[in-house]
Amino acid sequence: GEDVEQSLFLSVREGDSSVINCTYTDSSSTYLYWYKQEPGAGLQLLTYIFSNMDMKQDQRLTVLLNKKDKHLSLRIADTQTGDSAIYFCAESSNSWGKLQFGAGTQVVVTP
Amino acid sequence: KAGVTQTPRYLIKTRGQQVTLSCSPISGHRSVSWYQQTPGQGLQFLFEYFSETQRNKGNFPGRFSGRQFSNSRSEMNVSTLELGDSALYLCASSPGLASSYEQYFGPGTRLTVT
Repeated sequence: GEDVEQSLFLSVREGDSSVINCTYTDSSSTYLYWYKQEPGAGLQLLTYIFSNMDMKQDQRLTVLLNKKDKHLSLRIADTQTGDSAIYFCAESSNSWGKLQFGAGTQVVVTP
Repeated sequence: KAGVTQTPRYLIKTRGQQVTLSCSPISGHRSVSWYQQTPGQGLQFLFEYFSETQRNKGNFPGRFSGRQFSNSRSEMNVSTLELGDSALYLCASSPGLASSYEQYFGPGTRLTVT
């Protein structure tokens, strides 16, 4: 079946890089996503990567995909206090409208 | 472009009542998906509508239903509310095409059942 796993917590100092990891089990995943959720808010789409890509860079964000190991990571360069939030990894696999989400990684940025 | 809007933002209902939540997608998007978010179960897919037709459905009881109108706005209905239905209900808007899977979420409706 489908399963997406993430570590639950990450603490990082302001100005350092953050790396959030995710593993998934569905080998038919076509797109993989990273979303950010701040307290009391909905989900903000940060970036996504198609399964035939290895890497995607978007300003401070770098997504790495290892399809063989079904491992996805999100690197945030120069992490700021405004990056404190819960980050969700999600995958879609030819199932209309359905994203399978991980449990979310709480990122806390300390000054 | 305006983002996804959901109304109401907060709702308090009593067990046994029913509730209707509304979602207006981004202009030009034809697909609306609904998700339930709870601390215990995380984010779970409810259903997806495209051009007024339900294309996909998650594993929720029949008390959860939805519909989509010709302007792509969608409503979700929960009948005979239970305490466990307390959650943040999120809708997501997407172009709905096979080549475009990205989903943009609204702020959610926080439902509390007492």
